[in-house]
Amino acid sequence: QSALTQPASVSGSPGQSITISCIGTSSDVGNYNLVSWYQQHPGKAPKVMIYEDSKRPAGVSNRFSGSKSGNTASLTISGLQAEDEADYYCCSYAGSSTLVFGGGTKLTVL
Amino acid sequence: EVQLVESGGGLVQPGGSLRLSCAASGFTFRSYWMHWVRQAPGKGLVWVSRINSDGSSTSYADSVKGRFTISRDNAKNTLYVQMNSLRAEDTAVYYCARGIYSGSYSSSFDHWGQGTLVTVSP
Repeated sequence: QSALTQPASVSGSPGQSITISCIGTSSDVGNYNLVSWYQQHPGKAPKVMIYEDSKRPAGVSNRFSGSKSGNTASLTISGLQAEDEADYYCCSYAGSSTLVFGGGTKLTVL
Repeated sequence: EVQLVESGGGLVQPGGSLRLSCAASGFTFRSYWMHWVRQAPGKGLVWVSRINSDGSSTSYADSVKGRFTISRDNAKNTLYVQMNSLRAEDTAVYYCARGIYSGSYSSSFDHWGQGTLVTVSP
């Protein structure tokens, strides 16, 4: 149950697009179509933005999209807005009904 | 409106025990798998445990296996985690979270509580 690997920080200007990577292994990210992405603002509970690699829950902006290639999942945010500034976490199914999170990425909107 | 409200956090000495509760409302609690996720101060999210809808099946992260026990009371719409042999590294905000699907395992969470802080310190 080793944590997934995410960059500690990414940044972008309003209107730009950014991508956050999430590197796992063939035992988690690469073996299941079950990667989720969560957004967390300071002092708040996390919010699901993407589930099952690329599905977007109702109410989540279509500026958020998820994809995966091999053992690496990615979250792309297009048309960056100030309110997107937050911490983002990926999470993958890791077998035997267990889950593993990434270390988190702090997104700064310049 | 779906609501999850955790309680039971506080200060406990190393080696001590604590039971957290998560009161659910606004949905058919007995139909959903539930999870506990924790977050140490200034750190990332860590999955802790899950329980299926009728309480007959559970799973744990290696870091808490043998020390934590997840359970639920569907008559009271409440999720629990009994935490024993607590260590300093268990200090965290503990969130309960609902699986995204009704009636089956969900690897994603669509609703979270506000969290309850557990501090393990002498």
